Amino acid sequence: AQKITQTQPGMFVQEKEAVTLDCTYDTSDPSYGLFWYKQPSSGEMIFLIYQGSYDQQNATEGRYSLNFQKARKSANLVISASQLGDSAMYFCAMRYSSASKIIFGSGTRLSIRP
Amino acid sequence: ETGVTQTPRHLVMGMTNKKSLKCEQHLGHNAMYWYKQSAKKPLELMFVYNFKEQTENNSVPSRFSPECPNSSHLFLHLHTLQPEDSALYLCASSQGFGTSGSLAKNIQYFGAGTRLSVL
Repeated sequence: AQKITQTQPGMFVQEKEAVTLDCTYDTSDPSYGLFWYKQPSSGEMIFLIYQGSYDQQNATEGRYSLNFQKARKSANLVISASQLGDSAMYFCAMRYSSASKIIFGSGTRLSIRP
Repeated sequence: ETGVTQTPRHLVMGMTNKKSLKCEQHLGHNAMYWYKQSAKKPLELMFVYNFKEQTENNSVPSRFSPECPNSSHLFLHLHTLQPEDSALYLCASSQGFGTSGSLAKNIQYFGAGTRLSVL
């Protein structure tokens, strides 16, 4: 069965440190896409970064990078130089090519300490 | 203007009321979605529209009635709701939908949500 797992319900990180949010997935489909979203307390889900299963390089967007390890089926989000504004819920999601919808993980609540 | 706009942001309604949630996207996308997000539950997909046609209804009770008059607008009509329907309702849109083409076109962009309380 297709599945997305985020094992860290909550994390506390000191400001300016780097942080890694874990995400593992399970699919037998060779073609899939992985997404990360940020949800602040205001509620809006903000798209951060995308990685395709056939992409040769890890995706990067500013301070966000995706550590894609295909053999291990993991797609961890790395945030460099964390800021207070990074405090939010973070969701990992996956879309495999034979399905019509994106499935979301349960989320990780990240709190940045000043 | 933001990419996906939802109104109202907050809504309180009684169980006998009828109300509607509105979503508008300014991204030129072809697919639109309604999600429900309850406390301590995963995000639940409710409805999907692609080129104004409903392509998915995930066993949503009939007290929720979607409407998609064009690719830019999506409504969720609410009537005789229950207290357990209290949640954050999120609208999203994507350029593409389905299994053909690049999966990158399926990136969904969300609105800020409507926080609904049913008394």
